[in-house]
Amino acid sequence: AQSVTQPDIHITVSEGASLELRCNYSYGATPYLFWYVQSPGQGLQLLLKYFSGDTLVQGIKGFEAEFKRSQSSFNLRKPSVHWSDAAEYFCAVFLGYTGGFKTIFGAGTRLFVKA
Amino acid sequence: DGGITQSPKYLFRKEGQNVTLSCEQNLNHDAMYWYRQDPGQGLRLIYYSQIVNDFQKGDIAEGYSVSREKKESFPLTVTSAQKNPTAFYLCASSPFKEDPLLSTDTQYFGPGTRLTVL
Repeated sequence: AQSVTQPDIHITVSEGASLELRCNYSYGATPYLFWYVQSPGQGLQLLLKYFSGDTLVQGIKGFEAEFKRSQSSFNLRKPSVHWSDAAEYFCAVFLGYTGGFKTIFGAGTRLFVKA
Repeated sequence: DGGITQSPKYLFRKEGQNVTLSCEQNLNHDAMYWYRQDPGQGLRLIYYSQIVNDFQKGDIAEGYSVSREKKESFPLTVTSAQKNPTAFYLCASSPFKEDPLLSTDTQYFGPGTRLTVL
């Protein structure tokens, strides 16, 4: 069955420190992968996506993610975290257009940033 | 500015009442979606619509109904049959293309409506 796992429910990092949020997926075909960010009480904003090509993907707000097929992973990274990055982050895999824009979301990782 | 609006931002309902959540988009997107978000869980698809006057059930459609009379609008009704309606509801839209490799677009999300049943 298709699934997306974000092993860390929450992570705390110091401002200026580096960040890595983990995402593992289970999907038999070529995955189309996304990272979204959600501020409290807000909708989701797309950070970056991977469809094909270069496995290192650059996104907005200084985020990047690396697709590793051998590990079924799509981890999100940022070299230096800012206090405004505190939010919840969701990894998602797109299953295709059969039955609409079918996307499975992970349960999310909440990021706390300490001064 | 193009975007998706949801109203109201907060909604309170008594048990046994139906309530309708609004979702409007001016992005000229064909497809629209309703998701439910609960604490500690990812988004779960309630209903989606690929075209006007057509919609399909998602993974958790029981107790919900929708309509798609206009391209811009996709209202969601939470009925009294929904046993646990308190949640955060997100509407989204996207262009509809058969091959995702030909499209760099994805879903655009509204700001959400938090529904609380008293």
